[in-house]
Amino acid sequence: QVQLVESGGGVVQPGRSLRLSCAASGFTFSSYGMHWVRQAPGKGLEWVAVISYDGNTKYYADSVNGRFTISRDNSKNTMNLQMNSLRAEDTAVYYCARDGHGGYYDWFDPWGLGALVTVSS
Amino acid sequence: EIVLTQSPGTLSLSPGERATLSCRASQSITSNYLAWYQQKPGQAPRLLIYGASSRATGIPDRFSGSGSGTDFTLTISRLEPEDAAVYYCQQYSGPPPLTFGGGTKVEIK
Repeated sequence: QVQLVESGGGVVQPGRSLRLSCAASGFTFSSYGMHWVRQAPGKGLEWVAVISYDGNTKYYADSVNGRFTISRDNSKNTMNLQMNSLRAEDTAVYYCARDGHGGYYDWFDPWGLGALVTVSS
Repeated sequence: EIVLTQSPGTLSLSPGERATLSCRASQSITSNYLAWYQQKPGQAPRLLIYGASSRATGIPDRFSGSGSGTDFTLTISRLEPEDAAVYYCQQYSGPPPLTFGGGTKVEIK
């Protein structure tokens, strides 16, 4: 079955960096765009970034543009999110999600279980 | 950026009742590119509806979506206890940013 598993979350000081990974299985990873979506504690969902199936197209939310970098390795069925210059407001559960239709701006299905990132001194 | 406003914030209903959740967009959504998700506490969101009215695989037929343009509705025809959750709408009308509504919490009395 389709499965997405995030890793790399943890506690980090403001201004530091962290790298999240998403391991995919159960589908042809290289055929789908992939997204990161986050959820601050007790808050709603916020789309963060997307990468196209071939890695050539990337988009970011204004709130992370210039600080976060999305990438993928189709040979390893993995996607990454490099997060630099982290701020307290980046504290959230970060979900990896597959694009629902193979492109890079559709619905999200399925979702991973999420990785908690806490930015605190 | 398209802003989605969901209402009501919280809905408290009894089992067997009908729930009607609203999602209003700040501008018209192309080709009804709107999805609905269910999120239970401590869990990841789950896709319910895409294309405004198409049910995702495995979703019970008591969940239905409707609407067009700027006004969309998620209806749960006969509430069951396991439907207690927060429901989010999301638009994918054009290139990113993709946006979500603020959510509606459904409580079962």
